[in-house]
Amino acid sequence: ELKVEQNPLFLSMQEGKNYTIYCNYSTTSDRLYWYRQDPGKSLESLFVLLSNGAVKQEGRLMASLDTKARLSTLHITAAVHDLSATYFCAVASNSGYALNFGKGTSLLVTP
Amino acid sequence: EPEVTQTPSHQVTQMGQEVILRCVPISNHLYFYWYRQILGQKVEFLVSFYNNEISEKSEIFDDQFSVERPDGSNFTLKIRSTKLEDSAMYFCASSVFSVSNTEAFFGQGTRLTVV
Repeated sequence: ELKVEQNPLFLSMQEGKNYTIYCNYSTTSDRLYWYRQDPGKSLESLFVLLSNGAVKQEGRLMASLDTKARLSTLHITAAVHDLSATYFCAVASNSGYALNFGKGTSLLVTP
Repeated sequence: EPEVTQTPSHQVTQMGQEVILRCVPISNHLYFYWYRQILGQKVEFLVSFYNNEISEKSEIFDDQFSVERPDGSNFTLKIRSTKLEDSAMYFCASSVFSVSNTEAFFGQGTRLTVV
């Protein structure tokens, strides 16, 4: 069974600080996705990581993928309140027809 | 910008009743999905649909669930006899190719409440 584990599950951080969210997975997939979800809202695609060593940046968020370690990281630089949301990583199943999500990291950025 | 649209946004139904959740995927997408999220929990895969047939389904997707693409634009999820534990947010998603190659785009969800 494909497992996707995120940590931490809850993160409270001050504005201006840096932090990293980790996503470990158990398959040999080289495709990993990060999504953002605001409370009561849908899933917004943030990053698509398609190969080992892939690094993508958008504003204060940077995602990377290490397929050998089966690890992806989402790094937050100089956090602002607008980044408060739940962040999910997801990995495609071996068949390629399903996404397996981690439990999500609920991020709260405080002044 | 093209988006996945779902109706209704919120549905309340009595236990044992049938419900149909509707979705209009992005027009040039070929793969369609249903996921659900019980309040406060992770997003769970239900079923994927390609070329007018189910390509994969999870253990959650038992005989009380079915999917259909009744015309060229709609994609529906039917729950035949709802149970209290079916209460969740149901997300439809679509992608151009399979999710091993392209990202999936999600609709805004239908909140199903079974009473």
